[in-house]
Amino acid sequence: DAKTTQPPSMDCAEGRAANLPCNHSTISGNEYVYWYRQIHSQGPQYIIHGLKNNETNEMASLIITEDRKSSTLILPHATLRDTAVYYCIVSPSGNEKLTFGTGTRLTIIP
Amino acid sequence: SQTIHQWPATLVQPVGSPLSLECTVEGTSNPNLYWYRQAAGRGLQLLFYSVGIGQISSEVPQNLSASRPQDRQFILSSKKLLLSDSGFYLCAWSNGGLSGNTIYFGEGSWLTVV
Repeated sequence: DAKTTQPPSMDCAEGRAANLPCNHSTISGNEYVYWYRQIHSQGPQYIIHGLKNNETNEMASLIITEDRKSSTLILPHATLRDTAVYYCIVSPSGNEKLTFGTGTRLTIIP
Repeated sequence: SQTIHQWPATLVQPVGSPLSLECTVEGTSNPNLYWYRQAAGRGLQLLFYSVGIGQISSEVPQNLSASRPQDRQFILSSKKLLLSDSGFYLCAWSNGGLSGNTIYFGEGSWLTVV
C-alpha cells in the first residue's frame, strides 16, 4: 500500500529534461511528497521533498499541483548517470514508517 | 555528519543456516531504524521498523526477526534461512522530524541462500 502511482518505465534522451510523474490522489494534509532514486545494486538516494510549494535543489525540481494530488520530478539536463529507478512516496512527518512502491525505471538514451 | 553502515556486504548461506546482518548509525540520536528487502527486479519491501530501543514493528510475517539492543544499532536475524530469503537487504534511518521524514539508506547486503 504505497499510496502512489508511477509509470513503470520511461526513456529520455541525454541532455534533455526528464519529467517523471507521480499520482498521489489520497494524500493527506500533513503528508510530504518525497522522491528517491536507486541506481543498480546500491541503496536508494534521497533527491528532494516538498509539502505544498514547488522545490528546487542541485539535483532536481519538484512540481506539486495545487490540489496536491500529483507531482512531477524534473531532472533538467539528464545524463547517463541518471539512469535509475525513481521512487515517489508520501510520508507524514514524525515517527511513521515509509513504504515504497515499484517506482519508475528511467533510462537515459545517448 | 550522519553515517550509516551495514555488514556484511555480501554473503552466501546454505538453507537452514542462521543469519545476522548488522547496521549502525553514527552522528545522530534516537533515530527511526528500518530493514527493507528487495528481491531481484522488485521494489522495496519494508520488513521491520523501530522508533526506539527494544521497540520493533514487524510488517510482514516471515522467519526473520529484528532487534535493537542499542540506540543506533539494528540487527536482522534468522534462525533457519529459506531459499526465499535471498535478496538485497537495506538498513535505513530517519530522524522523524516535524519537517518531513527523510530516510537515508546504507550500502545494502546481498544475501544468497543456496
